Amino acid sequence: GAVVSQHPSRVICKSGTSVKIECRSLDFQATTMFWYRQFPKQSLMLMATSNEGSKATYEQGVEKDKFLINHASLTLSTLTVTSAHPEDSSFYICSARDRRGHSNSPLHFGNGTRLTVT
Amino acid sequence: RKEVEQDPGPFNVPEGATVAFNCTYSNSASQSFFWYRQDCRKEPKLLMSVYSSGNEDGRFTAQLNRASQYISLLIRDSKLSDSATYLCVVTPLGTGGGNKLTFGTGTQLKVEL
Repeated sequence: GAVVSQHPSRVICKSGTSVKIECRSLDFQATTMFWYRQFPKQSLMLMATSNEGSKATYEQGVEKDKFLINHASLTLSTLTVTSAHPEDSSFYICSARDRRGHSNSPLHFGNGTRLTVT
Repeated sequence: RKEVEQDPGPFNVPEGATVAFNCTYSNSASQSFFWYRQDCRKEPKLLMSVYSSGNEDGRFTAQLNRASQYISLLIRDSKLSDSATYLCVVTPLGTGGGNKLTFGTGTQLKVEL
């Protein structure tokens, strides 16, 4: 089945530093990938939609200069949390849909990255 | 009102029991519906899509009631391995609706011996 690989699975960083998270579709191509964030006991919240070869679309309230997204190829999207603060500590998950699938086909999720900012 | 609402639980049931979860959604124009399963500190995994006619996959049955705007998940003969959080997921129409998933907070199920 379709596989999405996310790396790293866990990262601890100091306040003020930047962290890059990679999301790869291993056996399919994705023109669009999605980045979610989940705080403890809360829903997954969509942060942004990453579009291959163009700018990402950010959800209301998500700072595009803080959460930098790059989608340089059909199999890789990266999310960089810049100048991280403790309140950015969360579970970040990417997802993607096979570009050959229809718009209502399910998304495939990466295994998530647990970010802890100290 | 939240777009997707679920009872957070936990639902503690004995092994072999039948358990049902409901989920309500606020956008009457919602397009597609799914149940995902999320284990502790892991990513969500698709359990099943939900179709208007209702659908069954082994011990799992999903139903959609558009008039009342809710979907349900029934698990029969619960196994210990069914213990997880079950997420109700809806895709709204508009603004790329087919691509955006709106998640409920999930219902926690604990199956006990």
